[in-house]
Amino acid sequence: DAGVIQSPRHEVTEMGQEVTLRCKPISGHDYLFWYRQTMMRGLELLIYFNNNVPIDDSGMPEDRFSAKMPNASFSTLKIQPSEPRDSAVYFCASSPPRLGDTEAFFGQGTRLTVV
Amino acid sequence: GNSVTQMEGPVTLSEEAFLTINCTYTATGYPSLFWYVQYPGEGLQLLLKATKADDKGSNKGFEATYRKETTSFHLEKGSVQVSDSAVYFCALSVRGNQFYFGTGTSLTVIP
Repeated sequence: DAGVIQSPRHEVTEMGQEVTLRCKPISGHDYLFWYRQTMMRGLELLIYFNNNVPIDDSGMPEDRFSAKMPNASFSTLKIQPSEPRDSAVYFCASSPPRLGDTEAFFGQGTRLTVV
Repeated sequence: GNSVTQMEGPVTLSEEAFLTINCTYTATGYPSLFWYVQYPGEGLQLLLKATKADDKGSNKGFEATYRKETTSFHLEKGSVQVSDSAVYFCALSVRGNQFYFGTGTSLTVIP
């Protein structure tokens, strides 16, 4: 199994541009999580999905952030327009059914730099 | 609500020293508990887990015991190595809900 796959690994963009981060979860996993990690705030949950449906998006910082999961094998996190304070490492994770007994599996992350 | 509190870092130890990283939790319901490790430039990896009270999770010489009476899940290792230098996260999950992570504890092991 290739694990959770995120792309790109690194993204540098200019302030005001649209940024799209991509995630392919592990096959058979029906939970998908998007996290943001910064030195100041640590690891923050942005949103999570169950069976492609958003369950909790209370962690999404503002309307500039949006996430979709059009099918079981793909999710995107979009920032439009991007700002320098969005610079962080963004992680996607997936988890099998029976959430609570099993762990979340993390991707390698996307390091976003907004200049 | 659900939350995890772990000891502040950074922690610096000499090789072969004993390691303890404290973790306590609050939870509605009956949680599963996890320790994750993050090496530089990588994502979080599961280190060990325990799903019920008095369970002991272990892996790579690390251990943690699920203590319901003290709501704790402290991470221990008897003899750390330079390769153990990483950030360690305590986490919990309650069935049907999200994962809750601590703030992370940075460990540096010096030769």
